[in-house]
Amino acid sequence: DTGVSQNPRHKITKRGQNVTFRCDPISEHNRLYWYRQTLGQGPEFLTYFQNEAQLEKSRLLSDRFSAERPKGSFSTLEIQRTEQGDSAMYLCASSYRWGSGELFFGEGSRLTVL
Amino acid sequence: KNEVEQSPQNLTAQEGEFITINCSYSVGISALHWLQQHPGGGIVSLFMLSSGKKKHGRLIATINIQEKHSSLHITASHPRDSAVYICAVGGAGNMLTFGGGTRLMVKP
Repeated sequence: DTGVSQNPRHKITKRGQNVTFRCDPISEHNRLYWYRQTLGQGPEFLTYFQNEAQLEKSRLLSDRFSAERPKGSFSTLEIQRTEQGDSAMYLCASSYRWGSGELFFGEGSRLTVL
Repeated sequence: KNEVEQSPQNLTAQEGEFITINCSYSVGISALHWLQQHPGGGIVSLFMLSSGKKKHGRLIATINIQEKHSSLHITASHPRDSAVYICAVGGAGNMLTFGGGTRLMVKP
């Protein structure tokens, strides 16, 4: 399967715990995006990488959130000291900078904070 | 006021009906995307357009840059078209701003 892969698909955690999500983009895609979607709402932009460089971060991304893409391939999104308000679907997408601009989304990682 | 507004928020149709979903935006864009999201979360890109009209099967997307408006049409709707349809506008770096989505249910 050469699509965008996200792991884990579901994570249930207790408030205060740390969680990490991983995104493996399509291999030749150099742009990678993280979005967050709460129930009944459209996704909201969190952050964006071009290769290994994090070029943009939303104000939604508090200091408890950190994202990395160390080798310009896979990316991780870590949430420290989780709060109930962090419960959401975390979506990853990738695209090729010199392509059509079409985005390819992963299936998402659903976080539930108890 | 949201930067991307979709209407209607919810839509129920009978199989075979012609469906239109509207999207208005207030920011400058490089491209507009129509996306489909099924229950469970997966999002599929349907169209990306910056002018004119695109057609794929029973789906047609149009955009009017001057009026900052786009429409997604579904002809001969089918129950398998039931999903959430999301309009998103792309700026620098193709970062997207999303509308709230239109929940479509097509009844047999």
